[in-house]
Formats: sequence, C-alpha cells, structure tokens
Amino acid sequence: QKEVEQNSGPLSVPEGAIASLNCTYSDRGSQSFFWYRQYSGKSPELIMSIYSNGDKEDGRFTAQLNKASQYVSLLIRDSQPSDSATYLCAVGYNTNAGKSTFGDGTTLTVKP
Amino acid sequence: SQTIHQWPATLVQPVGSPLSLECTVEGTSNPNLYWYRQAAGRGLQLLFYSVGIGQISSEVPQNLSASRPQDRQFILSSKKLLLSDSGFYLCAFPGMGYEQFFGPGTRLTVL
Repeated sequence: QKEVEQNSGPLSVPEGAIASLNCTYSDRGSQSFFWYRQYSGKSPELIMSIYSNGDKEDGRFTAQLNKASQYVSLLIRDSQPSDSATYLCAVGYNTNAGKSTFGDGTTLTVKP
Repeated sequence: SQTIHQWPATLVQPVGSPLSLECTVEGTSNPNLYWYRQAAGRGLQLLFYSVGIGQISSEVPQNLSASRPQDRQFILSSKKLLLSDSGFYLCAFPGMGYEQFFGPGTRLTVL
C-alpha cells in the first residue's frame, strides 16, 4: 500500500463546476497536509496547507481534513480552464527534517 | 524573499556518463534542503535531504549521491548514469509550516 494515495484520474469537469480531489494516507502520525498544483513541465506550487480536522477555505479552494479517516480532500469551486493541472497531495511531519511524502497526483482538466 | 535556483534546466546525457546538478538558495541561511525526483506521470520521490553543511541523509538506495559544500548550495551527482535516472529533478526548501518550496527543476533524459 502506498503511503499517500490519490484518485487515479484523469478528472474532467466543465467550466464553472466543482472539482473534487481526494487523498488518503497511511501514517496516523502525519501532522501536516498539503495540496500542490503542477502545470505541465513546471515545478509544483503550494495552493493549500491544513493541519487540523475540518475545512479550510482560501478563495475558490477548500481543503478538508479528517484524521480519523486519514483522508484529505480539495474542492475547487467555479472551476476555470486555468485550473487544468496535476494536483499533488502531500503529508508531512513537523520535525527538524520537515520531510513530506507525495501522492502520484490527479490530473484535472476543466473544459470551457 | 527566498528564491531557489537550479541548473541546468534541461540535460541529455548518455548512459554511463557522470552527472552534476546544482541548487542554490537565496534569502535564507542554513535552510533544510531536499532533492526530489519525479518520473514521468508520477509523484515526487524524496532522494536526499540536508539539515546543514556536510549533512546528507539518503532516503532511497540508488546510484546517486548528494553533497552540501556550502550553506546555500546543494549538489546532486552520479558517477555513471542509468536509463532509470531519467526524470524531473527538483530541489526544495521548507517554509514555516513545513510546506515545500520548489526550484524550477532540471529535466534529465538519459539515452
């Protein structure tokens, strides 16, 4: 079993719809949870971080964390063609090393 | 502000040739630094991390090595490249919330 698993994708939604991306992790000791967006040929960029159970909203993005279920999700409201990218889920530990473990990513296409 | 540089941006190398990729960071002192590799269509695999000059931790056995000769410099090397070393190599440093900030990456193709 992979340490961080994401929807295999690809995921396609029409413009203006809600895109839902899901991620599960295996290590119950994980303390920090991140969503990165990666455009084709580019390096990943952080879009959301979440550290406690519940929802965290930032503009059109909402991250949800459920530590009991070991589940993290990202909702993108009013999806735009510019949201078309691969979304990487990562989990980490708040230690000196500060390492993160990444999922394989879910590719999202938003169709105009 | 903190910035991270990597070079070269792209590299095509024959099997068996040596490799040296460089990463430098500006705007911070004594940062943790990380080398990741991303195979085509896959997520990021942590290869090495460093918490200070001369301190290297290896995450996976492979034919690569890393060095940190200066506070803000992190180098990834190989003596003899394999086909399986092809990929997108990313250097990163952590933010205050343990998130990762990535450099622009080096795309390596081994032929």
